[in-house]
Amino acid sequence: EAGVAQSPRYKIIEKRQSVAFWCNPISGHATLYWYQQILGQGPKLLIQFQNNGVVDDSQLPKDRFSAERLKGVDSTLKIQPAKLEDSAVYLCASSLDRGAGYEQYFGPGTRLTVT
Amino acid sequence: AQTVTQSQPEMSVQEAETVTLSCTYDTSESNYYLFWYKQPPSRQMILVIRQEAYKQQNATENRFSVNFQKAAKSFSLKISDSQLGDTAMYFCAFTSTGANSKLTFGKGITLSVRP
Repeated sequence: EAGVAQSPRYKIIEKRQSVAFWCNPISGHATLYWYQQILGQGPKLLIQFQNNGVVDDSQLPKDRFSAERLKGVDSTLKIQPAKLEDSAVYLCASSLDRGAGYEQYFGPGTRLTVT
Repeated sequence: AQTVTQSQPEMSVQEAETVTLSCTYDTSESNYYLFWYKQPPSRQMILVIRQEAYKQQNATENRFSVNFQKAAKSFSLKISDSQLGDTAMYFCAFTSTGANSKLTFGKGITLSVRP
């Protein structure tokens, strides 16, 4: 079974530029998550999708971050414009369904450096 | 709001020995799940072990076991017979039950296994 795929693996941009990350979850997984992991900290949930609908985006900085999962499969996270403090690893995860009983499977992450 | 605290930033253990990683949490919920995740260098995060709060018996997965003290809100991970492949960051995480539950992670601890 293929795992969660993410691309690109690394990205370096200058502040005020825009960037997009892509995630393809495990086939059949209804729930998709985007996390931000700043160096030295644990992952923080940015947004959670259930199929193509948003369940929780309470910690997403909506003035610069956006995410979509139009067909309920793969997802894109965008930052526009980027700030220095956005430098982090962006993790995508998926689970069969939402709820604490369902294990989340993580992708390899995209390491973003904003200069 | 729930919080997860991992106060030890790093630990080191000799191969084949036993090591215990500490975690405390704070919640007003009576039922919830606790997790330990492993994040090897440049590799994706994987679930090591899970504990449901209503279960009194401590979870065990091969060389990994937990000491769950609900009253003290403590959830430590014991790794027996440490192996070089156990070198990684370990994150303690909490989630309440329910369809809209989300993972809250601690800051993590870097574990190094010495040959």
